[in-house]
Amino acid sequence: DAGVIQSPRHEVTEMGQEVTLRCKPISGHDYLFWYRQTMMRGLELLIYFNNNVPIDDSGMPEDRFSAKMPNASFSTLKIQPSEPRDSAVYFCASSPPTGQGVAGELFFGEGSRLTVL
Amino acid sequence: GDSVTQMEGPVTLSEEAFLTINCTYTATGYPSLFWYVQYPGEGLQLLLKATKADDKGSNKGFEATYRKETTSFHLEKGSVQVSDSAVYFCALKGHGSSNTGKLIFGQGTTLQVKP
Repeated sequence: DAGVIQSPRHEVTEMGQEVTLRCKPISGHDYLFWYRQTMMRGLELLIYFNNNVPIDDSGMPEDRFSAKMPNASFSTLKIQPSEPRDSAVYFCASSPPTGQGVAGELFFGEGSRLTVL
Repeated sequence: GDSVTQMEGPVTLSEEAFLTINCTYTATGYPSLFWYVQYPGEGLQLLLKATKADDKGSNKGFEATYRKETTSFHLEKGSVQVSDSAVYFCALKGHGSSNTGKLIFGQGTTLQVKP
């Protein structure tokens, strides 16, 4: 079975540009999470969805960040305009419906490494 | 709010040495506790879990015991291998509908095992 698929794996852009990160969760999973990983702050939860609906976006750092999940098989995280401090690895993760699989097990993609110059 | 604190890294060990990575947590009620591992260039993957006090999670030679009295979930392995070199994350999942699906992660501890 395919795991969580993220694209692009690497992105280098200049300050002020728009960045769009994409995620395809595992089929049948109804939770989708976006995390950001940096050396300074570790792993931070940005936002998560359940059945395509945003449940908690309290971790989104500011209005420059937005996330959407138009259907069960696709999500985007957009940064506009991007800033150097947004440089990080962004992970998408999904998990199965409550009561299925191992409770609390998240399946992570390989991440998108963003560098903003 | 809920939080997880891990020991500072990096931890450098020789092959076959004993490993302990400390993890303590703060949470209301009775959270579930997890260890995730991240190998270089990959995403995190579940290593082991425990859902109630005194439970012991184990996998691949790693163990961790849920200690409610000390709010701890320390990761141990009796004999590490070079292939165990990775970043290890302690995490908790609170109880209650507001926490459904959401994990709180520690800052991660890098383990390097030398031959």
